[in-house]
Amino acid sequence: SQTIHQWPATLVQPVGSPLSLECTVEGTSNPNLYWYRQAAGRGLQLLFYSVGIGQISSEVPQNLSASRPQDRQFILSSKKLLLSDSGFYLCAWSDPTYSNQPQHFGDGTRLSIL
Amino acid sequence: GENVGLHLPTLSVQEGDNSIINCAYSNSASDYFIWYKQESGKGPQFIIDIRSNMDKRQGQRVTVLLNKTVKHLSLQIAATQPGDSAVYFCAENPMEYGNKLVFGAGTILRVKS
Repeated sequence: SQTIHQWPATLVQPVGSPLSLECTVEGTSNPNLYWYRQAAGRGLQLLFYSVGIGQISSEVPQNLSASRPQDRQFILSSKKLLLSDSGFYLCAWSDPTYSNQPQHFGDGTRLSIL
Repeated sequence: GENVGLHLPTLSVQEGDNSIINCAYSNSASDYFIWYKQESGKGPQFIIDIRSNMDKRQGQRVTVLLNKTVKHLSLQIAATQPGDSAVYFCAENPMEYGNKLVFGAGTILRVKS
């Protein structure tokens, strides 16, 4: 069966520091991959979307970037964090074989910027 | 967990009662809809989905109803249990968005014992 892993689970970083969050998927090939941010008491905002290695679509202008160095690895990065980057970051995958497939989420990383 | 609840509507039900969570979606071209459950500090968990060529779909203790005329989606949970307490999100897939979903704001379900 397919599984998705995110780490770390929680992270506290100072303003201006770099960021690297990692997401890996097991048990499937060539998944669609997604990064979301969820602010407290809010819904999910799509940040990045990838259909393959090196293929990244950015959904909103921001201080973050994403990379997909391997088929089942998705990385969220920043060179210099801002206070507004605080939030709950979620990675998800979906099966691209057919249309209308659900996305499956990891358990997220809670990022606090001090 | 996440500090949810500041801006989300809340539904409180007694254990054993049925729950109905509603969602109004925005895009008449959406052809696929999903309900997710999110517990505190965790990622959203898939519950049930429905395609636009259907108006009802049933799972284990859950039923999703789709009314395309008024762009309304509902999730019914039978015999609600304390473990059902969570935030529930609906999501739609507008056809022009490819494989991307648009999520609703969420509803908090609190089950009273």
